[in-house]
Amino acid sequence: DTEVTQTPKHLVMGMTNKKSLKCEQHMGHRAMYWYKQKAKKPPELMFVYSYEKLSINESVPSRFSPECPNSSLLNLHLHALQPEDSALYLCASSQDLQGANPLHGYTFGSGTRLTVV
Amino acid sequence: ELKVEQNPLFLSMQEGKNYTIYCNYSTTSDRLYWYRQDPGKSLESLFVLLSNGAVKQEGRLMASLDTKARLSTLHITAAVHDLSATYFCAVNNNDMRFGAGTRLTVKP
Repeated sequence: DTEVTQTPKHLVMGMTNKKSLKCEQHMGHRAMYWYKQKAKKPPELMFVYSYEKLSINESVPSRFSPECPNSSLLNLHLHALQPEDSALYLCASSQDLQGANPLHGYTFGSGTRLTVV
Repeated sequence: ELKVEQNPLFLSMQEGKNYTIYCNYSTTSDRLYWYRQDPGKSLESLFVLLSNGAVKQEGRLMASLDTKARLSTLHITAAVHDLSATYFCAVNNNDMRFGAGTRLTVKP
């Protein structure tokens, strides 16, 4: 299995809702990442987990709450989001933080397109 | 803070022509990546460059890395319409930072 699987693919939520994004990989990768990508912009790093511990939090608002229950799963819990949080949320994984796999580097999931109404 | 700069940001090419996309970065790193993204889709890994002087080729695309100049290039040879996409370079310094992307359009 050489994929990163993200669910759901599309999500529409109200500003008072609570929802979660899920990400799963079975490549034995020990680093996992959440990126946010607005239209026509590059991906922006949100969180990094290394060996199931939060390694980097790029000053993301607390309405985004990451969770890494085990080495294969990464969740992003959403609460009280704003319309400007609408974006494509990408999960990625790599063998380790250095991402030096000569074949792939980081492997990205297909993303969750989030719309906040 | 690591900065990654790509140019050009927009590139309109005719089929059959050659062109180069440039990627400059601000700190020492020997891990550079090129990705392709089609509209509404995720990122597809094209090349992983891990050392100074590394050169990799796949089809009509060739990427190179000069760590001393902190420069990577993505060269397109004899462009075809299927290459139309946005191309990102990214640098790993314990996390992946992306350039702004080059939106490539190949016209007949």
